[in-house]
Amino acid sequence: GAVVSQHPSWVICKSGTSVKIECRSLDFQATTMFWYRQFPKQSLMLMATSNEGSKATYEQGVEKDKFLINHASLTLSTLTVTSAHPEDSSFYICSARTSGRVDEQFFGPGTRLTVL
Amino acid sequence: AQKITQTQPGMFVQEKEAVTLDCTYDTSDQSYGLFWYKQPSSGEMIFLIYQGSYDEQNATEGRYSLNFQKARKSANLVISASQLGDSAMYFCAMRFLTGNQFYFGTGTSLTVIP
Repeated sequence: GAVVSQHPSWVICKSGTSVKIECRSLDFQATTMFWYRQFPKQSLMLMATSNEGSKATYEQGVEKDKFLINHASLTLSTLTVTSAHPEDSSFYICSARTSGRVDEQFFGPGTRLTVL
Repeated sequence: AQKITQTQPGMFVQEKEAVTLDCTYDTSDQSYGLFWYKQPSSGEMIFLIYQGSYDEQNATEGRYSLNFQKARKSANLVISASQLGDSAMYFCAMRFLTGNQFYFGTGTSLTVIP
């Protein structure tokens, strides 16, 4: 099946710094990638939809200036958490959409962000 | 508004027994897909099974089967012959064929007892 990778798998940073998370589709081209956020013992919440070559579409309540998304190529999308604060600590998961017999999303392994 | 409901926050099952995880959904759309994902403690989301709203047969994938009752708007996951490795969070999700949005339920934590 399709493989999606994320880097880094975990990161610890100081409050006020920026953190970049990469999401790559390894064996297919993904015109659309998605970024989710998951707090402990909660469900996945869609943050934004990332389309190659165009601006991301953010869900209501998600700060565009804080969570910068860039979809530079058909295999790479990045999420940058700017001026991170402890409340941004969470599990961030990306997924990439592919179409086929089953139009589904393949998820990356996630990135655990801890802001001190 | 579209909504996915998983009413079982936690479930226990004896190893080798079958277990059913409940999922109901609320939509007025006719075209949609229903998915089940498994999330072990490592955090990765593992796709298990898919059911299209127009599929007449219930989906099956190995030990996983989806009990799809369209009129009742339910899409329960049945895991047969439970294994210790099945212990994980399970999420039901819905996606509409005309859009990108995935709607996830709140999840069910399954624990398989030896």
